[in-house]
Amino acid sequence: DGGITQSPKYLFRKEGQNVTLSCEQNLNHDAMYWYRQDPGQGLRLIYYSQIVNDFQKGDIAEGYSVSREKKESFPLTVTSAQKNPTAFYLCASSINVGSRTQYFGPGTRLLVL
Amino acid sequence: DQQVKQNSPSLSVQEGRISILNCDYTNSMFDYFLWYKKYPAEGPTFLISISSIKDKNEDGRFTVFLNKSAKHLSLHIVPSQPGDSAVYFCAASALGDGLTFGKGTHLIIQP
Repeated sequence: DGGITQSPKYLFRKEGQNVTLSCEQNLNHDAMYWYRQDPGQGLRLIYYSQIVNDFQKGDIAEGYSVSREKKESFPLTVTSAQKNPTAFYLCASSINVGSRTQYFGPGTRLLVL
Repeated sequence: DQQVKQNSPSLSVQEGRISILNCDYTNSMFDYFLWYKKYPAEGPTFLISISSIKDKNEDGRFTVFLNKSAKHLSLHIVPSQPGDSAVYFCAASALGDGLTFGKGTHLIIQP
């Protein structure tokens, strides 16, 4: 059963702490993406990766970092430099960057203590 | 500056009638458009898409219309069903880029 999984569903961060959100896909997709959603807002692109060991900054990359060591995995680290990290984080993938349709995971809600 | 705009934050439609959700865009480089449906605390689900070389695409109860000269697209749902109640996001894409989303329209289907 193919799909995108994100864990955990809820994550709590203390001030000054880095946290990492997991995203795994078994769709054999080349491209993966991270978005952030704030209440009443659309989704905004944080980072995307077209292929293993390559990634590009999106519209709001400051305070975030990513890695793409495996095709299946695209973890997002929210660093202490991100001053307003509370949001709903969504991971997506597409067959490749030229395939416009992206498929989303269930999301991770990050809350700051 | 918002490149994709959904000017109606919410829309209420009676069950069985047609729901029309609208979306405007400003970036002339966008050449592919998508609609997603989202329930609270879940990821968006892809509904339907349209390329800029077409002006209409239909899939079951869902039809998307594209008016390139007006930089406007709309999603028609007919007939509307209770399970259609959700937030609908319009998204646009230029080749090589990620998706740019509107802020969403909350569709409420009333019995």
